[in-house]
Amino acid sequence: ETGVTQTPRHLVMGMTNKKSLKCEQHLGHNAMYWYKQSAKKPLELMFVYSLEERVENNSVPSRFSPECPNSSHLFLHLHTLQPEDSALYLCASSRAVQETQYFGPGTRLLVL
Amino acid sequence: DQQVKQNSPSLSVQEGRISILNCDYTNSMFDYFLWYKKYPAEGPTFLISISSIKDKNEDGRFTVFLNKSAKHLSLHIVPSQPGDSAVYFCAASANEGKLQFGAGTQVVVTP
Repeated sequence: ETGVTQTPRHLVMGMTNKKSLKCEQHLGHNAMYWYKQSAKKPLELMFVYSLEERVENNSVPSRFSPECPNSSHLFLHLHTLQPEDSALYLCASSRAVQETQYFGPGTRLLVL
Repeated sequence: DQQVKQNSPSLSVQEGRISILNCDYTNSMFDYFLWYKKYPAEGPTFLISISSIKDKNEDGRFTVFLNKSAKHLSLHIVPSQPGDSAVYFCAASANEGKLQFGAGTQVVVTP
C-alpha cells in the first residue's frame, strides 16, 4: 500500500474523447505531481501542485488540463489526445515540494 | 537535454552476488539524489536517498555512494535476491525540488 491511488489503472480512448485521470493520496502530503512515462524514456514531469496551487507546468500541451481541488486529490483532464500521448501516467505526492516523492501505480493510457 | 543518465539499460546478476547500478549527472546544482525501484504494473517505489553533504548512505542491503567530483552515483545491492528483479531509476533534484529521472536499469537476479 503506497498511500497514493490512481484510477483508472487502464484507459483506452479515441482522439475525440474526453476523459479524466484521478489521483488520491492518503499520506497527508501537501505537494502532488503528474508524470508521463513513455516506453524506454525517463519519467517526464508534467505538473506540480503545492498546497493546491500549480507551481510548475513543464510546457505541456493544453490538451492536458490538471485540477487540484484539495491537497488530497489531483485530476488530469484529457481532451483530443494524440496517439503519441499513449503512455503510463504517474501521480506522486510529497510532504513538501523539495521532499521525497511517493508514487501511485499509474494509469496506462492508450489513445487510438 | 537529459541531466541524469543511466547508461546501462540492463544488468543480470546471480543471486547472492552484488548488484552495482550506476548513474551519472551533469548538473552541478543537484544536491539530493534518490533511487526508485519499479515492478511491472506498479508505480516507482522510493528505495534510498542521499544528500550532497554525504558520500555514502546505507539501509540494510542497499548502499548508495555519491562521488560529487565525478558527478556519479551508484547503488549497491548485496546480497542480491530474486525479489530485487525490477527496474531501478536514479533521480536527482536541485534546491527547487523538481526531480530529474534517468531512463532506468532493468535488473534481473538469476538463481
